Amino acid sequence: QVHLVQSGAELKEPGASVKVSCKASGYTFTTQYIHWVRQAPGQGLEWLGCLNPSSGFSKSAQKFQGRVTMTRDMSIFTAYMELSRLRSEDTAVYYCGRGTLERPDYWGQGALVTVSS
Amino acid sequence: QSALTQPPSVSGSPGQSVTISCTGTSSDVGAYNYVSWYQQHPGKAPKFLISDVNKRPSGIPDRFSGSKSGSTASLTISGLQAEDEADYYCCSYAGSYTLVFGGGTKLTV
Repeated sequence: QVHLVQSGAELKEPGASVKVSCKASGYTFTTQYIHWVRQAPGQGLEWLGCLNPSSGFSKSAQKFQGRVTMTRDMSIFTAYMELSRLRSEDTAVYYCGRGTLERPDYWGQGALVTVSS
Repeated sequence: QSALTQPPSVSGSPGQSVTISCTGTSSDVGAYNYVSWYQQHPGKAPKFLISDVNKRPSGIPDRFSGSKSGSTASLTISGLQAEDEADYYCCSYAGSYTLVFGGGTKLTV
């Protein structure tokens, strides 16, 4: 069955960057988009962007343009999301989800990123 | 891109039905039949409930149903059960390879 396994929790200082990984199994990695969604403490879901693992094409939400980079390593079926110039408001659980362009279906377990000095 | 509008909370008794609304614009919910719904229990990842306005993935009970009228989508949960108590989120395709989520609704059973 489909599994998405994400990297572990991270503690970063303001201004630093964080890179979260998402390893896929149980399906053909190149046939489904990878979406990145975050959830700040006590808040709702916020879409960051998506990646087409086959072509490498990515699109980020306007709010994150210039700060988020989405990549993949097809040899190990893993997608990555890097967020730069971190600030305290970026403290959140970051989820990857695979699916069609129009919606994720299966989700990773989430990766907590804490931004604090 | 502004978040879709959902009521912060709804409630119902076991066995009853509740409906959660999700209001967008003519650029997202109103433009595409690509509204999806997710259930999230505390501390857990979201769970996929509905795709394409009203399609249930395998394994999702038919107590969960979706619909759309204009720029407002709805999720109806019938025969409420205690385990349905959770947060619910709508999501819409918004064109140009982008998605937008709703603010979430807390369901109390």
